[in-house]
Amino acid sequence: DIQMTQSPSSVSASVGDRVTITCRASQAIGNWLAWYQQKPGKAPKFLIHGASTLQEGVPSRFRGSGSGTEFTLTISSLQPEDFATYYCQQANSFPLTFGPGTKVEIK
Amino acid sequence: QVQLVQSGAELKKPGSSVKVSCTASGAPFSVYAINWVRQAPGQGLEWVGGIHPKFGTPNHAQKFQGRVTITADTSTSTSYMELSSLRSDDAAIYYCVRLTGGHYFDYWGQGTLVTVSS
Repeated sequence: DIQMTQSPSSVSASVGDRVTITCRASQAIGNWLAWYQQKPGKAPKFLIHGASTLQEGVPSRFRGSGSGTEFTLTISSLQPEDFATYYCQQANSFPLTFGPGTKVEIK
Repeated sequence: QVQLVQSGAELKKPGSSVKVSCTASGAPFSVYAINWVRQAPGQGLEWVGGIHPKFGTPNHAQKFQGRVTITADTSTSTSYMELSSLRSDDAAIYYCVRLTGGHYFDYWGQGTLVTVSS
């Protein structure tokens, strides 16, 4: 199975800050990576696929990059609605696996 | 607009089974696989398994081998996930999700809370 890790596990930031989350895969997955955003009490929301392609309607302040084993999600200017937990997911092979999540909290 | 509507919360005893349903609308049911992802309280996301309604062959994570049954009824656009021999660590919110051809989860149901307690 492909193991996914994320760092940091949590980050405190202020509105307007730039936030970067790193996701690593235990083996190369090309660009078969997605990012999801989850707010408390809600189902996750699909943000990015193919490591860098934004889903329709996702603000351009979200940017995904990377390939192989290391990926990043960057929020260029944090907005109040961005405080949430973010998960990466590898789509390269079954079983599909997720990272443990990164909680973006208000400083 | 794609919608996945799940059945309601369940309270089950250890050792029993639970069956959760997920009814899809807004898109042809047989085009995409329906999968199940669970989330234990305060924890991350875990893929359980899935099925492609058109081809009918389910798959699942190895840890659920022998305990999970995933089916799809094309006549009602509904997928079912049944988990047997429930343990306390099966307590979670179970989400049905649509799986894209690229193996991403693009639409999510509202989640079904399964509580396991004697």
